Amino acid sequence: GDSVTQMEGPVTLSEEAFLTINCTYTATGYPSLFWYVQYPGEGLQLLLKATKADDKGSNKGFEATYRKETTSFHLEKGSVQVSDSAVYFCALPFSGGSNYKLTFGKGTLLTVNP
Amino acid sequence: DAGVIQSPRHEVTEMGQEVTLRCKPISGHDYLFWYRQTMMRGLELLIYFNNNVPIDDSGMPEDRFSAKMPNASFSTLKIQPSEPRDSAVYFCASSPPGAGELFFGEGSRLTVL
Repeated sequence: GDSVTQMEGPVTLSEEAFLTINCTYTATGYPSLFWYVQYPGEGLQLLLKATKADDKGSNKGFEATYRKETTSFHLEKGSVQVSDSAVYFCALPFSGGSNYKLTFGKGTLLTVNP
Repeated sequence: DAGVIQSPRHEVTEMGQEVTLRCKPISGHDYLFWYRQTMMRGLELLIYFNNNVPIDDSGMPEDRFSAKMPNASFSTLKIQPSEPRDSAVYFCASSPPGAGELFFGEGSRLTVL
């Protein structure tokens, strides 16, 4: 079935460092792809999404490009802040499902030190 | 606007007891989801509703789990009897029509001793 694979964490960076969190997917066709973020003690919230191949999603300085050639949707940020410390999840819809029914990666814990 | 509201935030119970988790979705959202989060298995979709009707409950682990949505503003997830392996954070999420975005509550952390 359709699935996503995220890089194993945790990731620890210093403030202003460059961030990449890898995500690759296995899917039938070209589903929408999502990044969600979970701040400590909170539920998940949508960070960005891309609905078709070659689309770039962006929000709060984060970017991810939907690359069908490499079946990837890597999350990047040029300069991280302490407030970006959170768990990041890559997600895609279940096979044959609507965009509402999502399967999530295992999550990558990011810690940013001052 | 209020977000998705879940209660209780924390529940500690003993094995064999009944547990009821509650969720109030965002007004106007017609999809409601129950997810379970554990370190070992990550986020698992248990069940989801559309317009109060259960659409897919294939993720419900076993008959001890049941979920209801009696109206558009309320849903429950019940575990009876509870077991230690049910310990997890249970999230409720809702989504408006056409958005393709899930709005999550803060979760209910369940510990079964």
